[in-house]
Amino acid sequence: DQQVKQNSPSLSVQEGRISILNCDYTNSMFDYFLWYKKYPAEGPTFLISISSIKDKNEDGRFTVFLNKSAKHLSLHIVPSQPGDSAVYFCAASAQKTSYDKVIFGPGTSLSVIP
Amino acid sequence: EAQVTQNPRYLITVTGKKLTVTCSQNMNHEYMSWYRQDPGLGLRQIYYSMNVEVTDKGDVPEGYKVSRKEKRNFPLILESPSPNQTSLYFCASTPGLAGARGELFFGEGSRLTVL
Repeated sequence: DQQVKQNSPSLSVQEGRISILNCDYTNSMFDYFLWYKKYPAEGPTFLISISSIKDKNEDGRFTVFLNKSAKHLSLHIVPSQPGDSAVYFCAASAQKTSYDKVIFGPGTSLSVIP
Repeated sequence: EAQVTQNPRYLITVTGKKLTVTCSQNMNHEYMSWYRQDPGLGLRQIYYSMNVEVTDKGDVPEGYKVSRKEKRNFPLILESPSPNQTSLYFCASTPGLAGARGELFFGEGSRLTVL
């Protein structure tokens, strides 16, 4: 049973438009959430994170929103660029209780069309 | 350059032939971990190590062994590989999860095929 879900395996967006990647989690003990980006033939790289005490975190073109009551987070990329085409993994950890595990979702493949 | 280095990057082997995938980091990180990536399943943790001589099972440890004799190295051992271990493997490290909050540094991956 996956504790972190990304229900859209793929997403296509026009260059310049907004990309919205969604993630749902089931474990209410998760208190820290991260997004990783992965290009082919490379390892994942950390993109942005958010603590459960916040509902929004912004870093340049990337914003992560957290809705704890819905156990849902989303990554917004504005404006989308062709270089953003990659697989995006949502991840979660329970820092207060079990900081030794980071649970990843299955990933969403984003294609930004020029 | 700060990095996590895995070797080999690509390997094709046969069932039952023992193999080791090496992982080395040059950032003096305490925490290291191995993940496997499979289609539709994302990254699943195999084993992790909080520090030298401290290792523990992740979510999918069956068929794997690890050791942490030195801080920088965390090899993944497949004693008797089977076809269901065909996968893309990633090693990762971080200074310490409690402080870094799960912001892992990943290696470039090792694609293993077991025939």
